[in-house]
Amino acid sequence: DIQMTQSPSTLSASVGDRVTITCRASQSISYWLAWYQQKPGKAPKLLIYKASSLQSGVPSRFSGSGSGTEFTLTISSLQPDDFATYYCQQYNSYWTFGQGTKVEIK
Amino acid sequence: EVQLLESGGGLVHPGGSLRLSCAASGFTFSTYSMTWVRQAPGKGLEWVSAISNSGTSTYYTDSVKGRFTISRDNSKNTLYLHMNSLRAEDTAVYFCARESDYSDFDWWGQGTLVTVSS
Repeated sequence: DIQMTQSPSTLSASVGDRVTITCRASQSISYWLAWYQQKPGKAPKLLIYKASSLQSGVPSRFSGSGSGTEFTLTISSLQPDDFATYYCQQYNSYWTFGQGTKVEIK
Repeated sequence: EVQLLESGGGLVHPGGSLRLSCAASGFTFSTYSMTWVRQAPGKGLEWVSAISNSGTSTYYTDSVKGRFTISRDNSKNTLYLHMNSLRAEDTAVYFCARESDYSDFDWWGQGTLVTVSS
């Protein structure tokens, strides 16, 4: 099974900050990686697919990069609506999520 | 617009059974693979099961194999998850989601809560 490890688990940041979340796969997954945003009591929302492709309707301040085993999600300028939990997901072999990164207000 | 609406959750005793449903609209249901994902209270996301667009191929995470069955009725635009031999650790919000052409999950329902407790 492919394991996904996100870091950090919690991130404290201010509005306007540049934020980066890292996701590592236990083996190569090529570019088969997605990022999701989840707010309390809500369903996850797809942000990025195929490691770096922006889902339709998602603001351009979100970007993804990486391939193989190391990936990043970057928010270029954090907005109030971005405080949430973010999950990476591999879909190279079945599906596995990372443990999540909570972005909270500093 | 795509809509996915889960139902069927509730309180069930350990060892009991439950059937979840996910009613789909706003897209051609029969052309998409579908999946179930769960989230235990205060925990992260866990993929549970997936089914191909025709229903001929099904997949399960190890912890539910032999206990859960995924199915679909394309004539009713509905996805199902039949859950047997339920355990306390199956307590979670269960989301249905649509698999995109790339196999990520591009649309999600709002979830239905399953509580397994005596």
